[in-house]
Amino acid sequence: NAGVTQTPKFRVLKTGQSMTLLCAQDMNHEYMYWYRQDPGMGLRLIHYSVGEGTTAKGEVPDGYNVSRLKKQNFLLGLESAAPSQTSVYFCASSHQETQYFGPGTRLLVL
Amino acid sequence: EDKVVQSPLSLVVHEGDTVTLNCSYEVTNFRSLLWYKQEKKAPTFLFMLTSSGIEKKSGRLSSILDKKELFSILNITATQTGDSAVYLCAVRDDKIIFGKGTRLHILP
Repeated sequence: NAGVTQTPKFRVLKTGQSMTLLCAQDMNHEYMYWYRQDPGMGLRLIHYSVGEGTTAKGEVPDGYNVSRLKKQNFLLGLESAAPSQTSVYFCASSHQETQYFGPGTRLLVL
Repeated sequence: EDKVVQSPLSLVVHEGDTVTLNCSYEVTNFRSLLWYKQEKKAPTFLFMLTSSGIEKKSGRLSSILDKKELFSILNITATQTGDSAVYLCAVRDDKIIFGKGTRLHILP
């Protein structure tokens, strides 16, 4: 099993550009999450999904959209990137309360 | 508003010391509390706690939950330099919310 994978690993964007981060899991987990991690702020939940076709807002959803068209994939979109979205983004999936994290995507918005 | 508060935010001790990390929470519909260790990359799972008063133990690490007082502690005994990391506490209701973490540094 690959576990939770994220693509890309690193990306540089200009302000106003759009991009999609892909998270994939092969563990048949129902729950999936997108977090951002900034220095001194811990992990903050952006959006999450409790199953295929469903999404919900977390603590910091503004500026992001998500989709869960397939159970194994959870996409995070930035329609118009801003420097404030420079961060490390982690995807996670969970089963029976245990959460598994992807390796992270480092995003720099200039 | 749901929240998870960890203390201290940072801690520096000498190798061999024992440390206690704290996590308090306020959530609407508590299901479980989770502890993670984060070194350079993604967090790795340590413990899941659902019941009060039952200690979970793994080697030199142990953790316990108090659902009445809404907190948990993570103990590390006989610390080693490899224990240096950020320790994250998270609480699950219908989603998982994290505290800001405790940065632990072990001096040789």
